[in-house]
Amino acid sequence: DAGVIQSPRHEVTEMGQEVTLRCKPISGHDYLFWYRQTMMRGLELLIYFNNNVPIDDSGMPEDRFSAKMPNASFSTLKIQPSEPRDSAVYFCASSRGGQGNGELFFGEGSRLTVL
Amino acid sequence: GDSVTQMEGPVTLSEEAFLTINCTYTATGYPSLFWYVQYPGEGLQLLLKATKADDKGSNKGFEATYRKETTSFHLEKGSVQVSDSAVYFCALSDLGGYQKVTFGTGTKLQVIP
Repeated sequence: DAGVIQSPRHEVTEMGQEVTLRCKPISGHDYLFWYRQTMMRGLELLIYFNNNVPIDDSGMPEDRFSAKMPNASFSTLKIQPSEPRDSAVYFCASSRGGQGNGELFFGEGSRLTVL
Repeated sequence: GDSVTQMEGPVTLSEEAFLTINCTYTATGYPSLFWYVQYPGEGLQLLLKATKADDKGSNKGFEATYRKETTSFHLEKGSVQVSDSAVYFCALSDLGGYQKVTFGTGTKLQVIP
């Protein structure tokens, strides 16, 4: 089975530009998570969805960040306008719900560099 | 709220040495506990898990026991290899509602030949 698929793997852009990161979760998984990883702050949960509905977006840094999940097989994380401090690796993860689970399946990440 | 505390890294060991990475947690209920591993340039992947008190999770020679009385889930391996060099994350999942996973800050392990 295919794992979580993220694109692009690497993105280099200039400050002020719009960035869109994409994620395809594992088929049948009803939870989707967006994380950001940096050396300074480690792994941060930005937002997560259940059945395509955003449940908790308290980790989204500011209004420049937005995330959508229009259907069960696709999600986007958008940064507009981007800033150098947004440079990080962004991970998407998915999981199957149910009590006592909580196992996440991560994509390989999208490394964003904002110049 | 839920939280996970793990030992600061980096940890540097010689090949075949014994490994312990400490992890303690705070949770209101009875969470499931996990260790994830991240190899260079990759995403996190599940290493082992335990879902209730006194359970022992094990995989690839790594072990961790869910200790409710000490709220701990320490990771151990009897003999590390160079290929074990990675970042290890302790995590918990809240059973009570939407399954939000809380991660520790990660501990980098470097094994030298």
